[in-house]
Amino acid sequence: DAKTTQPNSMESNEEEPVHLPCNHSTISGTDYIHWYRQLPSQGPEYVIHGLTSNVNNRMASLAIAEDRKSSTLILHRATLRDAAVYYCILRTYYSGGGADGLTFGKGTHLIIQP
Amino acid sequence: DGGITQSPKYLFRKEGQNVTLSCEQNLNHDAMYWYRQDPGQGLRLIYYSQIVNDFQKGDIAEGYSVSREKKESFPLTVTSAQKNPTAFYLCASSIGGDNEQFFGPGTRLTVL
Repeated sequence: DAKTTQPNSMESNEEEPVHLPCNHSTISGTDYIHWYRQLPSQGPEYVIHGLTSNVNNRMASLAIAEDRKSSTLILHRATLRDAAVYYCILRTYYSGGGADGLTFGKGTHLIIQP
Repeated sequence: DGGITQSPKYLFRKEGQNVTLSCEQNLNHDAMYWYRQDPGQGLRLIYYSQIVNDFQKGDIAEGYSVSREKKESFPLTVTSAQKNPTAFYLCASSIGGDNEQFFGPGTRLTVL
């Protein structure tokens, strides 16, 4: 899986939007952009994923640049429960189906101030 | 409730002993995975299995072994050959290899 670059940490205020950036300049055409988050001492939790178009779900939105070399995870209204490490991961999908495991970097530690 | 369970939550072993970590899922998922996480780091893939009786090495398989005799179970054995086994171990599963992964609560292994 290709490499991603994220800031080590970000800080935001409760009830404000949060934009978490991710650079992936070596992304290939078959790479999907996945986001997971991990609360302290817990396993990671899937947040969202996309290929080319922007995506929305109940947890967040994913904005993907037109050249796909970067993306932004958007939390529309942060709460204290959103404080976690957020991982941006590229996942290569194979035509025959099946993919290997996820490749995690260090992620972005999101701090939410009350 | 469907989910993934890992037991125990905390495990202590003496150096040189093999230890087996349990991972069970009742989600009817085909694929299962084992990851290791060290403090302040991301997860690293140890082994994964896309179907019963088949598994592949991940990025850091040395010193570990697995089995997949049942769809629901994917135990991980940390052998004495693993040089630095103290870590947080996470198991995950997915419907297929390219679907979102669901993670268990993890087992924190400390080797004394």
